[in-house]
Amino acid sequence: TQLLEQSPQFLSIQEGENLTVYCNSSSVFSSLQWYRQEPGEGPVLLVTVVTGGEVKKLKRLTFQFGDARKDSSLHITAAQPGDTGLYLCAGVRAGGTSYGKLTFGQGTILTVHP
Amino acid sequence: KAGVTQTPRYLIKTRGQQVTLSCSPISGHRSVSWYQQTPGQGLQFLFEYFSETQRNKGNFPGRFSGRQFSNSRSEMNVSTLELGDSALYLCASSGTGQGKSGANVLTFGAGSRLTVL
Repeated sequence: TQLLEQSPQFLSIQEGENLTVYCNSSSVFSSLQWYRQEPGEGPVLLVTVVTGGEVKKLKRLTFQFGDARKDSSLHITAAQPGDTGLYLCAGVRAGGTSYGKLTFGQGTILTVHP
Repeated sequence: KAGVTQTPRYLIKTRGQQVTLSCSPISGHRSVSWYQQTPGQGLQFLFEYFSETQRNKGNFPGRFSGRQFSNSRSEMNVSTLELGDSALYLCASSGTGQGKSGANVLTFGAGSRLTVL
């Protein structure tokens, strides 16, 4: 069982559509991050959320951290082919030290067709 | 500012061999973490080094080891390779490995893709 459950696993949409990716857990996280990874590259950080209920926007991307800090969502408005990639949520569990350690979800493979 | 550099990018080994992967962090970063990425398990934490000391370790067998040098460069070694060790090995660096509110802000390299035959 994954500590961070990410859904959906695969998403294939047309350019211009909206989409939401979810990241859920039964555990509390002190912070959650979203990464995007392209083939042959490492994950690139998109955003970090640390406060329950926090909402951050990055152009067409909107990130939300749940009030209880157990879940997060990524919403993309008017998706473009350049948004294609693997989206990963990752978090630091609340309590204790976690040097360098992030717990990752399984990822969502997004394909945006022109 | 140069990013995180990993070498080699690709390598093929046979079962029973050992392999050493190298990681040069961003200049000034003292924390280096290693992750294994596979299609089935996703990204899993291997270990983290800071100032040449291992501070954190994931749930991997003792065949997986690492070290960090005084210039913060890091290596990881996998001995007695198994088919299941085929994966993308990612290195990530950060300033301290532990940010405010416990947020680990990591910058990843492009990875070393290991294939075990």
